[in-house]
Amino acid sequence: GENVEQHPSTLSVQEGDSAVIKCTYSDSASNYFPWYKQELGKRPQLIIDIRSNVGEKKDQRIAVTLNKTAKHFSLHITETQPEDSAVYFCAAVNTDKLIFGTGTRLQVFP
Amino acid sequence: DTEVTQTPKHLVMGMTNKKSLKCEQHMGHRAMYWYKQKAKKPPELMFVYSYEKLSINESVPSRFSPECPNSSLLNLHLHALQPEDSALYLCASSQGIAGVSTDTQYFGPGTRLTVL
Repeated sequence: GENVEQHPSTLSVQEGDSAVIKCTYSDSASNYFPWYKQELGKRPQLIIDIRSNVGEKKDQRIAVTLNKTAKHFSLHITETQPEDSAVYFCAAVNTDKLIFGTGTRLQVFP
Repeated sequence: DTEVTQTPKHLVMGMTNKKSLKCEQHMGHRAMYWYKQKAKKPPELMFVYSYEKLSINESVPSRFSPECPNSSLLNLHLHALQPEDSALYLCASSQGIAGVSTDTQYFGPGTRLTVL
């Protein structure tokens, strides 16, 4: 089955800096890659997603890139703000299942 | 209404109790999911319902019994749980038209379950 690896596990940045989180997946049949943000005690919320027929997608300060050949995808957050502090999960969809990465705890210091 | 709701928010139960978790969505979604999330871990898929039929059971122990009474409701019946079953139980839904999981999944706030 699909396996999703996510790095780093923790990331600390200064407010205004950029943050990059990377994920790799194992099954080339995976075709949908969402990113979820989960604040402490809250539900996971979709922040951006990308499908396998697209290489890059941007939404304001957030962008996702996908390299199908290398089987990796990345989340880029620019101009980070303290409210970006949360756990971020990448995921890949394979045979109707959403497989999550292990998560990255992002801390943005003012 | 773009929300998935779950009740109760918190649940404490003994190992001999029977309880149920409830999930509701009014977005017209046809796929609904149960996930289990332990502290500092990602959500793990338990069950998937597509058009009110169970389509995926991730080898979940029979002490967890899902039920989909209609397209808006999803229940998870709990019986004879173990302390290691303590976790956050998340419900999610998606359109379920393009494929069960290739549509965006919207999560409910979860039920925090403690088994004593």
